[in-house]
Amino acid sequence: QQKVQQSPESLTVSEGAMASLNCTFSDGTSNNFRWYRQHSAKGLEVLVSIFSDGEKEEGRFTAHLNRANLHVSLHIREPQPSDSAVYLCAVTNAYKVIFGKGTHLHVLP
Amino acid sequence: AQTIHQWPVAEIKAVGSPLSLGCTIKGKSSPNLYWYWQATGGTLQQLFYSITVGQVESVVQLNLSASRPKDDQFILSTEKLLLSHSGFYLCAWSLGTNTGQLYFGEGSKLTVL
Repeated sequence: QQKVQQSPESLTVSEGAMASLNCTFSDGTSNNFRWYRQHSAKGLEVLVSIFSDGEKEEGRFTAHLNRANLHVSLHIREPQPSDSAVYLCAVTNAYKVIFGKGTHLHVLP
Repeated sequence: AQTIHQWPVAEIKAVGSPLSLGCTIKGKSSPNLYWYWQATGGTLQQLFYSITVGQVESVVQLNLSASRPKDDQFILSTEKLLLSHSGFYLCAWSLGTNTGQLYFGEGSKLTVL
């Protein structure tokens, strides 16, 4: 059973400072990895998808995947207060998409 | 453009009463469909997925059932609600044979008293 763990649970950064979030998973054979964002009990929006080792950038969001270390990270460049939300790491095996518990990001103006 | 609509937006129900939550996807043919559940402050947990009409796979049951009566419709239901069913239910869709990006609805909030 795939296990996905995220750290830190909560992160506070100042507007404009880089925010870095981490995600570890237990099964390295997973197909793909995504970072989603959720604003207070609403639907999720995808930020970046990554399928192979290395880096993938989507605007201000950059994901780094290292399958050997069972690790995927998300870096948010120049975060704004509107980026305050819960960030979820999702790991996919076939049609099963397993989410981490999330990191609560607070961006201070 | 594709749209995903969930209903109801919110519901307050008594323990032991029946429940039906619905999800409709427009603008996409033969999507993969998913139900997720999230307890307050909890992890988003996959309940069911469906690749085609009439076929539903259970991931975690939680005394709930799901059906896909039409290509664009996914229903989550139970005959008797438990207190533990309270939470936020999200429907999602994706395309392709190898699960691609999930597109989520706005969710249904369920409170069981």
